[in-house]
Amino acid sequence: GENVEQHPSTLSVQEGDSAVIKCTYSDSASNYFPWYKQELGKGPQLIIDIRSNVGEKKDQRIAVTLNKTAKHFSLHITETQPEDSAVYFCAASENTGFQKLVFGTGTRLLVSP
Amino acid sequence: GAVVSQHPSRVICKSGTSVKIECRSLDFQATTMFWYRQFPKQSLMLMATSNEGSKATYEQGVEKDKFLINHASLTLSTLTVTSAHPEDSSFYICSARDPGGAGTEAFFGQGTRLTVV
Repeated sequence: GENVEQHPSTLSVQEGDSAVIKCTYSDSASNYFPWYKQELGKGPQLIIDIRSNVGEKKDQRIAVTLNKTAKHFSLHITETQPEDSAVYFCAASENTGFQKLVFGTGTRLLVSP
Repeated sequence: GAVVSQHPSRVICKSGTSVKIECRSLDFQATTMFWYRQFPKQSLMLMATSNEGSKATYEQGVEKDKFLINHASLTLSTLTVTSAHPEDSSFYICSARDPGGAGTEAFFGQGTRLTVV
C-alpha cells in the first residue's frame, strides 16, 4: 500500500520568511496530492491540492510542486504570517473513485513575529 | 468549499458506556465517508470507510464490533464507540468527498474529542 513520508516534523521561521515542507510517496498509482492545515482542536482544512497532470499549482502565498518521477511533492508558503502557524499534513491517493487518503506524519510550523 | 459537520465536538463518558458521533455533509450527498482517529501530536489514521447502504470497510487492526459505523443516508454517517474504555480516548474526525465538486477533494469535519473516564 501507499506510504507517505513528510519532513521536517517541526519548522520555525520568522514572519515574512518562506517555509517549505516536503513529502515523498511510494505508490506510483497515486495521482492526487492534497495539503491540509490543522489548527489545535480542529479538523484538517484543505489549503491546496495538485493532480499528477500538472507540475505546479499556486494560490496566492501558497504553492505546491510535484515531481512524479521522483515521487515527491512540496508545499511552499511565502511571506509567512503568525496565523500560518499550525500543523500541516500532506496526503496521497488515487484520484479515481473514492480512494482513501494516506497522510504524512505532519509538520508543525511556527511563525514568529 | 463543501461543508462537513461533525457532532458533538467534545464528549466525556464513563467507562463501559457507548458514545455516538455524527458526521453530516451539509451541501452535498456523500456516498462515501471516512472515519479517522488522531492521537496527540500524531497523524490521522484511517479507521474505516463508510459506504451508504452497505457495510463499512474497516482498516486492519480496527475492531468492527467496537467501532460501529452506520451510513443510512447520503448525508449522514455515524460512528458509535461501544463499551468505551480510557484507551479509546482520542480525537475522531470524519471526512467526505464531494462527487459534484471540482475534483475529488476531501472535506473534514471539526472533529470530536472523546474522553473516557
